[in-house]
Amino acid sequence: AQSVTQLGSHVSVSEGALVLLRCNYSSSVPPYLFWYVQYPNQGLQLLLKYTSAATLVKGINGFEAEFKKSETSFHLTKPSAHMSDAAEYFCAVSAPILTGGGNKLTFGTGTQLKVEL
Amino acid sequence: ETGVTQSPTHLIKTRGQQVTLRCSSQSGHNTVSWYQQALGQGPQFIFQYYREEENGRGNFPPRFSGLQFPNYSSELNVNALELDDSALYLCASSLRGQSYEQYFGPGTRLTVT
Repeated sequence: AQSVTQLGSHVSVSEGALVLLRCNYSSSVPPYLFWYVQYPNQGLQLLLKYTSAATLVKGINGFEAEFKKSETSFHLTKPSAHMSDAAEYFCAVSAPILTGGGNKLTFGTGTQLKVEL
Repeated sequence: ETGVTQSPTHLIKTRGQQVTLRCSSQSGHNTVSWYQQALGQGPQFIFQYYREEENGRGNFPPRFSGLQFPNYSSELNVNALELDDSALYLCASSLRGQSYEQYFGPGTRLTVT
């Protein structure tokens, strides 16, 4: 079964510092991996996706993630944090729905990013 | 292009009651998935609908049911509400064949008292 583990439920960085949010996956098939961001009282916004093309994936708002098969990781990074990046971030893996032929997303438990002045 | 919309935004119900949540999918999408996000948790897959039929279900009891309409919009119904049903309910739409890539609505916050 496909699953993801997010290390660190809370991460705090200074404005302008590097952001690194960790995600490790487990998958019996080549995975499709995603990062979503959730601002308070809002839904999920897709930041970026890995669908077996380039291993370095660029997303919106200056975020990127690198797929490393040898480490089963898909960590999210941003070179310079901005106050507006404060939010909760979820890593997700797509898994096939065995009975129906579609796909469902399995999410990690989330990482709350705090950006300090 | 119209994004995913959900209604209502917030809802307060009493234990034992029934509730219906609504979702309009993104233009061009034909598959709808529902997720439950409890406070402090990641979203959990409830079920998915395609061609007006349930396409798969997560670990949720039968009192969670749904519908999909010919225009691809969807409803989530929960009967006999329990306190633990309090959560943010998220609808996501996608295109069959690319249903790994899902786009989420703003969610409905359900509080059961």
